[in-house]
Amino acid sequence: SSELTQDPAVSVALGQTVRITCQGDSLRSYYASWYQQKPGQAPVLVIYGKNNRPSGIPDRFSGSSSGNTASLTITGAQAEDEADYYCNSRDSSGNLVVFGGGTKLTVL
Amino acid sequence: EVQLVESGGGLVQPGGSLRLSCAASGFTVSSNYMSWVRQAPGKGLEWVSVIYSGGSTYYADSVKGRFTISRDNSKNTLYLQMNSLRAEDTAVYYCARDAPGSYGPYYYYYMDVWGKGTTVTVSS
Repeated sequence: SSELTQDPAVSVALGQTVRITCQGDSLRSYYASWYQQKPGQAPVLVIYGKNNRPSGIPDRFSGSSSGNTASLTITGAQAEDEADYYCNSRDSSGNLVVFGGGTKLTVL
Repeated sequence: EVQLVESGGGLVQPGGSLRLSCAASGFTVSSNYMSWVRQAPGKGLEWVSVIYSGGSTYYADSVKGRFTISRDNSKNTLYLQMNSLRAEDTAVYYCARDAPGSYGPYYYYYMDVWGKGTTVTVSS
C-alpha cells in the first residue's frame, strides 16, 4: 500500500494565499483529489484531476502537482474556508484507496 | 438529483455484526465505482472498501476478512456487511461515488458524491 502525508495544521490570514501539501509515492502516477470537511458535515470534493473544480466550488481553490507532491492552493482565503482538508489517491497498485491524514486550516 | 443515503448504523456489542446500506438516486450504482469511507471520533478519513463496476472488491487491511462490500442492482443500493466488530470500528461511515479519470499518462479518482453518513458504535 501507499501512504499520503499532510501537515496536521496550517494557518492563513484572511485574504491571503495558503498552500496545503500532500506527499506520497503514488502521486508520481496518480493525481490527488482534495476534500473539504467542516465539523459535523460530510466531506466535499473541491479539486480533482490535474486541476478541476466541481460545480459550485469557488475559483480561489486550485490544484497542482510536482513529483511526489500534490498541492491545494487557496488564493484569497475566506473565513468560510476554515475546515479540514484531505487529499486522496490510489496506492501504487491502483486498486486500494488512500487518504492523507488531513490538514486543519485556520483562517486568522 | 444525485444523492446517497446511508442507513443501518447503531450500537452493537464487540464481536457483533451490522449491515450498512447506501441507497443511491440519480445514478446507477452498478455502473460506478463505489467506496465506503469511515471517520472515527476526532480522527481523519479512513478508506474502508471499494467495489468496481465490474464487481471487483478491495478492502483496507484493517477490515479485510471481517467486512464485505456488495450491491443490489435491483434496489440501486450499496451494502457493507460488518462482522466481528471491534471497538476501533466505531466511526461515522460514509458511502461515496468513486469516479475515474485520466489526463495524459496520469490517472485519477475522485469521490464526487457523498452521503451524510451513518454512525456505528461498538461498545458493551
